[in-house]
Amino acid sequence: DAGVTQSPTHLIKTRGQQVTLRCSPISGHKSVSWYQQVLGQGPQFIFQYYEKEERGRGNFPDRFSARQFPNYSSELNVNALLLGDSALYLCASSLWTGEYGYTFGSGTRLTVV
Amino acid sequence: GNSVTQMEGPVTLSEEAFLTINCTYTATGYPSLFWYVQYPGEGLQLLLKATKADDKGSNKGFEATYRKETTSFHLEKGSVQVSDSAVYFCALSEIQGAQKLVFGQGTRLTINP
Repeated sequence: DAGVTQSPTHLIKTRGQQVTLRCSPISGHKSVSWYQQVLGQGPQFIFQYYEKEERGRGNFPDRFSARQFPNYSSELNVNALLLGDSALYLCASSLWTGEYGYTFGSGTRLTVV
Repeated sequence: GNSVTQMEGPVTLSEEAFLTINCTYTATGYPSLFWYVQYPGEGLQLLLKATKADDKGSNKGFEATYRKETTSFHLEKGSVQVSDSAVYFCALSEIQGAQKLVFGQGTRLTINP
């Protein structure tokens, strides 16, 4: 079975631009979460979606938005990119209850120049 | 809020040495606890987990025990290998709301032959 797939793997954008990152969860998983990992730090929670509804949002500005589609895939959008948005963006899928763990994709490396 | 504190790295050991990476947490209630591993250029892989007090998670020779009395979840391995070189993250899953993962800052481990 395929794991969590993310696209693209790498991306270079200019300040002020907008970016869309995509994630497909493991088959049967209905929850998708997004995390931002800045170099040298632990991942920080951005969003969680379950059954197309936002179930949680981290401490990120409104420039960050996301959605989940009927097939449970998800997109993360970031508007008006800043240099500080450069990071590895990780998608994680799970069954509803997170107590049994999350499976992460390999991430999208975003560089803002 | 909930938080995770890991022993600071980097940690450098010789092959076959004993490994301990300390992890303590602050949380409301009794969260699930996890260790994730990140190899260079990759996403996070779940290494082991424990969902209640006194549970021991184990995988690939690594072990960690959920200690409620000391709010700790230290990672141990009896004999490390060069292939264990990676960054290790301790995390908890919140039991309310989105049940998001809260990560420690990570510990970089290097094993020399």
